[in-house]
Amino acid sequence: AQTVTQSQPEMSVQEAETVTLSCTYDTSESDYYLFWYKQPPSRQMILVIRQEAYKQQNATENRFSVNFQKAAKSFSLKISDSQLGDAAMYFCASLVQGAQKLVFGQGTRLTINP
Amino acid sequence: GAGVSQSPSNKVTEKGKDVELRCDPISGHTALYWYRQSLGQGLEFLIYFQGNSAPDKSGLPSDRFSAERTGGSVSTLTIQRTQQEDSAVYLCASNELGFYEQYFGPGTRLTVT
Repeated sequence: AQTVTQSQPEMSVQEAETVTLSCTYDTSESDYYLFWYKQPPSRQMILVIRQEAYKQQNATENRFSVNFQKAAKSFSLKISDSQLGDAAMYFCASLVQGAQKLVFGQGTRLTINP
Repeated sequence: GAGVSQSPSNKVTEKGKDVELRCDPISGHTALYWYRQSLGQGLEFLIYFQGNSAPDKSGLPSDRFSAERTGGSVSTLTIQRTQQEDSAVYLCASNELGFYEQYFGPGTRLTVT
């Protein structure tokens, strides 16, 4: 069975600084995908970044990047130059090839201090 | 284009009543998912539809929960004889066949009093 663990219930960062959100996962499968989703107060889950397990290169999307450590089953999200609009709940999720269902971590609430 | 839409946005119902939640996926997306987000259980998968295939109902918590998808597009999640523990945000997502990224709607917040 897949599990995803986010050990930081809350994080805060000063505007314009860098913050890293942690995520670990467990799966016995070899083909899987990892995601970070952002959920602002509007409730809409927004895809931030994705990583295919077979790719060694860490994914990057503008100010968002991941540190994917496959052997350690770690998938952290780094947000550079934090902006007030980045304040939200962030969920790490995994999806096994062929299984289709996302398995989510417990979430990390990120606060941006002006 | 238009994203996933869900209705109603909020629903308050009395314990024991039946409720229907609606999801309109992104046009052209053949796969549709329902998830539930609650304080105690976090985000959990409920059911998955793919085209005309039999749905994967493995996440439905009890036989009070059912879902259908008509014409390969709109889906309705029905909860019969609602209980207070059914209070949660119900999220719908969709994606295209062969793609693994799921796109979510804004959810329906269900409150059972």
